[in-house]
Amino acid sequence: EAGVAQSPRYKIIEKRQSVAFWCNPISGHATLYWYQQILGQGPKLLIQFQNNGVVDDSQLPKDRFSAERLKGVDSTLKIQPAKLEDSAVYLCASSLAPEARLSYEQYFGPGTRLTVT
Amino acid sequence: AQSVTQLGSHVSVSEGALVLLRCNYSSSVPPYLFWYVQYPNQGLQLLLKYTTGATLVKGINGFEAEFKKSETSFHLTKPSAHMSDAAEYFCAVSPGGSTLGRLYFGRGTQLTVWP
Repeated sequence: EAGVAQSPRYKIIEKRQSVAFWCNPISGHATLYWYQQILGQGPKLLIQFQNNGVVDDSQLPKDRFSAERLKGVDSTLKIQPAKLEDSAVYLCASSLAPEARLSYEQYFGPGTRLTVT
Repeated sequence: AQSVTQLGSHVSVSEGALVLLRCNYSSSVPPYLFWYVQYPNQGLQLLLKYTTGATLVKGINGFEAEFKKSETSFHLTKPSAHMSDAAEYFCAVSPGGSTLGRLYFGRGTQLTVWP
């Protein structure tokens, strides 16, 4: 079974530029999560999708971050414009949970390491 | 409010020694509890989880953890450390109920294993 795929693995941009990350979850997984992991900290949930609908984006800085999950499969996370404090690893995870409230095991991708200079 | 506290950002043990990584949580509803491991430049991998039932749970690679409700703890242990256990370990809580299955992570504990 293929795991969660993410690209790119590394990205370096200057502040005020824009960047996009892509995630392909495990086939059949209804729930998809984007986490931000700042160096020295645990992952923090940014947004959670159930199929192609958003169920939790309370921690997403909506003035600069956006995410979509068209057709309930792949997802993209965008930052525009980037700030220095956005430097982090962005992790995508997916789970089989048929309903957003159910806590099934989350499977994580390798992450995208973003450096903003 | 939900929070996870991992005591000790760095733990060092000798190969063959006991591994003990501490995790305490706060949750307003009965939680589900998880331990994840992260190797360099990789995503998180589930070691073990507690949802309901037996409070001592066994995971992969010889790790186990015990849910102690009275102490709000979920410490991770392994009787004998191996060099390959060197990694970062994260404790996470999912409060369940109507909280959408989201995970709240601790800050992580870096485990170093000396030969």
